[in-house]
Amino acid sequence: DAKTTQPPSMDCAEGRAANLPCNHSTISGNEYVYWYRQIHSQGPQYIIHGLKNNETNEMASLIITEDRKSSTLILPHATLRDTAVYYCIVRPMGGSNYKLTFGKGTLLTVNP
Amino acid sequence: KAGVTQTPRYLIKTRGQQVTLSCSPISGHRSVSWYQQTPGQGLQFLFEYFSETQRNKGNFPGRFSGRQFSNSRSEMNVSTLELGDSALYLCASSTDGGQSGSPLHFGNGTRLTVT
Repeated sequence: DAKTTQPPSMDCAEGRAANLPCNHSTISGNEYVYWYRQIHSQGPQYIIHGLKNNETNEMASLIITEDRKSSTLILPHATLRDTAVYYCIVRPMGGSNYKLTFGKGTLLTVNP
Repeated sequence: KAGVTQTPRYLIKTRGQQVTLSCSPISGHRSVSWYQQTPGQGLQFLFEYFSETQRNKGNFPGRFSGRQFSNSRSEMNVSTLELGDSALYLCASSTDGGQSGSPLHFGNGTRLTVT
């Protein structure tokens, strides 16, 4: 699977947009980009995923660059409850994603 | 739609005992995976069940076992507990184990402490 690189930590002011970057320069054409987050002592929460088009749901937006080598997760109006570790994962379409591997992720701290 | 439900939320056991953890997947999800999460090792895959059959297995000793029932609910059993088994055990479900790119949805886990 393609490797991802994320900054270890980021800060964001409450109410502002949080933009979390992820580099996946070795991504293959059939690999999806998934984003999860984990709040301490809870299970990882699925946020969004995409292949090559930008995606939006009720939680966030996912912007994937045209060459697919990087992506950005956008939380449009961050709240204190969005403080968590965010994981960017790349997995192939058609393969089993039963065996997810989380890297160290980005610790997002939303400040009042 | 209800999410993935894991019970119990917390467990304290003694070395040598055995434990059974339960997972109810999202309705309609046929694939259930189990993971162990520790601060040192991160998230480690245990096994995956699909339609009552174990499809994939991680690199854990035979003390770790599981099963899936016809309603897709799953249980995980750990026998002869060791101190190193203390961890957060996570269950995740998906429609088909990811064949179509469908994501995994996790429960909040069972926090097992072995003393």
